[in-house]
Amino acid sequence: NAGVMQNPRHLVRRRGQEARLRCSPMKGHSHVYWYRQLPEEGLKFMVYLQKENIIDESGMPKERFSAEFPKEGPSILRIQQVVRGDSAAYFCASLHWFSSEAFFGQGTRLTVV
Amino acid sequence: DAKTTQPNSMESNEEEPVHLPCNHSTISGTDYIHWYRQLPSQGPEYVIHGLTSNVNNRMASLAIAEDRKSSTLILHRATLRDAAVYYCILRKSSNTGKLIFGQGTTLQVKP
Repeated sequence: NAGVMQNPRHLVRRRGQEARLRCSPMKGHSHVYWYRQLPEEGLKFMVYLQKENIIDESGMPKERFSAEFPKEGPSILRIQQVVRGDSAAYFCASLHWFSSEAFFGQGTRLTVV
Repeated sequence: DAKTTQPNSMESNEEEPVHLPCNHSTISGTDYIHWYRQLPSQGPEYVIHGLTSNVNNRMASLAIAEDRKSSTLILHRATLRDAAVYYCILRKSSNTGKLIFGQGTTLQVKP
């Protein structure tokens, strides 16, 4: 059973472009979290998703950011019109609905130039 | 969300036990105490969790105060690979709800 897979591992975008970050949860996991970590800072919760449903998006910026977890395929975190302040490591985690343990991916490091 | 307080950093010698404290004085009766750690350049990793009773697993032990206002993560024999940021997190249930990470404790392990 492969772990949580995030791709790409590194992503460079110019200001104003779109960034799409993908997260494939572990097999059988129906819940996904997304977190952002700025350099030298802690992890900030962004959004909590179940398949086809957003459970909690209280940490998502109101503009430019969106997330989805479709019935089939990976969860996607989409950032439109990226700015330099979006440069960070983005981590996703997945867990089974009855499990206590969240499994994190290796992260996508986004650099906006 | 109830808040946790941890020391910014701690040091330990290799092969010695490490006690990482966490204060959570505003914990509610339904909050579970979770611990995660993050090694450099990696995603966080689950360590252990508990509600009221002390817990042991292959990685660590969790000692929870009787009033649940504090807890201590115990690494029985620190190795260099245990150098990481350790996060103490309160979560509304054992298996649902978001995980809110604080600043954590940076553990340095000296050979």
